[in-house]
Amino acid sequence: GESVGLHLPTLSVQEGDNSIINCAYSNSASDYFIWYKQESGKGPQFIIDIRSNMDKRQGQRVTVLLNKTVKHLSLQIAATQPGDSAVYFCAENGRDNFNKFYFGSGTKLNVKP
Amino acid sequence: ETGVTQSPTHLIKTRGQQVTLRCSSQSGHNTVSWYQQALGQGPQFIFQYYREEENGRGNFPPRFSGLQFPNYSSELNVNALELDDSALYLCASSLDRGTEQYFGPGTRLTVT
Repeated sequence: GESVGLHLPTLSVQEGDNSIINCAYSNSASDYFIWYKQESGKGPQFIIDIRSNMDKRQGQRVTVLLNKTVKHLSLQIAATQPGDSAVYFCAENGRDNFNKFYFGSGTKLNVKP
Repeated sequence: ETGVTQSPTHLIKTRGQQVTLRCSSQSGHNTVSWYQQALGQGPQFIFQYYREEENGRGNFPPRFSGLQFPNYSSELNVNALELDDSALYLCASSLDRGTEQYFGPGTRLTVT
């Protein structure tokens, strides 16, 4: 089955700096990826998605990069704010059953004022 | 807010009991997925319902079952509760299969 994991369990950044959260996946056939933000006591919140026919996608203050060669996904947050403090998950929708999403264990982002 | 609602918010059950969790999907969404999230971990896919039929299942035993109704709301039923079933149960709705999923706030289940 698919395996989605994160390199860093905790990331601390200074307010105003840029943040980069990384994610590795093992299934080269995966074709759709989503980044979620989860605040304490809440459900995951959709941030941005990307399909395998793209390398980069930008949203408001966020950019997702996909490197299919090394099966790596990253989320960049520009000008990180205290409200960005949360756990971030990448999720992969594999081709064995495109209805299933596989989540990594998450990275906790701490934004220091 | 995503427009996905779940009830109840919290629930405490005893081992061996049965529980039903409920989810109302976002307006216009015909697909509902259920996830189990243990403390400190990412959500684990339980199953998905599309137009009232199960449309994909994760590695969960048959005592985890579900329903989707004509209005696309959904239920998750768990029989013979075990201590390890204690978790946050998340419901996510999507416009269609294989598209982005929007999560509800979850139901926190504690099994004692």
